[in-house]
Amino acid sequence: EVQLVESGGGLVQPGGSLRLSCVASGFTFSSHWMHWVRQAPGKGLEWVSRINKDGTRESYADSVKGRFTISRDNAKDTLYLQMNSLTADDTAVYYCTRGRLSSCLDLWGQGTLVTVSS
Amino acid sequence: QSVLTQPPSVSGAPGQTVTISCNGSSSNIGAGYDVHWYQQIPGAAPKVLMCGNTNRPLGVPDRFSGSKSGTSASLAITALQAEDEADYYCQSYDSSLSVVMFGGGTKLTVL
Repeated sequence: EVQLVESGGGLVQPGGSLRLSCVASGFTFSSHWMHWVRQAPGKGLEWVSRINKDGTRESYADSVKGRFTISRDNAKDTLYLQMNSLTADDTAVYYCTRGRLSSCLDLWGQGTLVTVSS
Repeated sequence: QSVLTQPPSVSGAPGQTVTISCNGSSSNIGAGYDVHWYQQIPGAAPKVLMCGNTNRPLGVPDRFSGSKSGTSASLAITALQAEDEADYYCQSYDSSLSVVMFGGGTKLTVL
């Protein structure tokens, strides 16, 4: 089955760190750009970051630049998001997504909830 | 505030047609970047409806259609059904900000 499964979410204190993982299955992971998208409670979708097929190029939303790092391990079919210096504004469901041409996100995981609170 | 502007809400009765607009600028839609559309049922992950302005992925009913002109794009839903009630998002790329971006989302209510 073609799917993305995120993990690693949870409750973290302000200023803390968390690493999200996303395991891909059912398709050739190394052939796709991958993205992270988040959704704060009751809010719209916000693009967070993307990484190219071989992990050599990354880009980030201004809201997370310098704090978050996207990476991938193609041998393990796994995408990561290292999140540091977390604030309450980072509280959201984080979705792992597969990119196609022109950054169309054609496959989404179920999401993992990150809550930043003391 | 999103660079891609969508109406916060639209509504229509079953069987009717509704259109959701996505207004951008010369650095995103107007620069030729593709527009994609997503549907999100409450409590679920988003699902792609339209890739590359007008292309429906397999499994998306042909009641959904996309268009793009100038600095704007639209998603039309014909023969509205109760199951279409959801949030809809447009997405594109902005060259001046160098980021992928979503519109603010539109809540569709089927009356």
